[in-house]
Amino acid sequence: QKEVEQDPGPLSVPEGAIVSLNCTYSNSAFQYFMWYRQYSRKGPELLMYTYSSGNKEDGRFTAQVDKSSKYISLFIRDSQPSDSATYLCAMSAEAAGNKLTFGGGTRVLVKP
Amino acid sequence: SAVISQKPSRDICQRGTSLTIQCQVDSQVTMMFWYRQQPGQSLTLIATANQGSEATYESGFVIDKFPISRPNLTFSTLTVSNMSPEDSSIYLCSVVDTWKSFEAFFGQGTRLTVV
Repeated sequence: QKEVEQDPGPLSVPEGAIVSLNCTYSNSAFQYFMWYRQYSRKGPELLMYTYSSGNKEDGRFTAQVDKSSKYISLFIRDSQPSDSATYLCAMSAEAAGNKLTFGGGTRVLVKP
Repeated sequence: SAVISQKPSRDICQRGTSLTIQCQVDSQVTMMFWYRQQPGQSLTLIATANQGSEATYESGFVIDKFPISRPNLTFSTLTVSNMSPEDSSIYLCSVVDTWKSFEAFFGQGTRLTVV
């Protein structure tokens, strides 16, 4: 079983819809949770970063962490075709020296 | 956020040869990492590049195959040695400046094809 599980998709939504992404994990030591966006042939771009449990909002993006359930989510409101990309969750435990463990990525397609 | 420059951006190499990838950061950072992303896959950590000492490798990766240098707080290299087609991947440099936060930033990657 992988340490971090993420549905590979593809997830296809119409423009303007809410995109809902999630990851589950097994390592209770993870405390730092990140979401990255990766366009084809590009490096990952940090979207959201949260520490421990709770919610964080930044523009159209909302990240949620539920450590009791070992479950994290990313919501994208008012989705745009430019949001079409692969979204990767990543997490680390402070004791691990900031090494990131990634989910497999979810491919998202926003149709105009 | 740190600006990370990776060179080369892509290369096609013959099997049995070696390629050195450079990672330059525009500011001093505490931690630098090297990841591999195989076609259609997610990122896997190869090693942590330690300044002035030997890198710390993850399970499945060894120094003879992936020697790493980090002479200062802004620069690191990863060499892929004695390449085979299975080494065809994207190699990514990542940095974390723990003096500021625990956020990790990535370079654009080096797309390596071994023929």
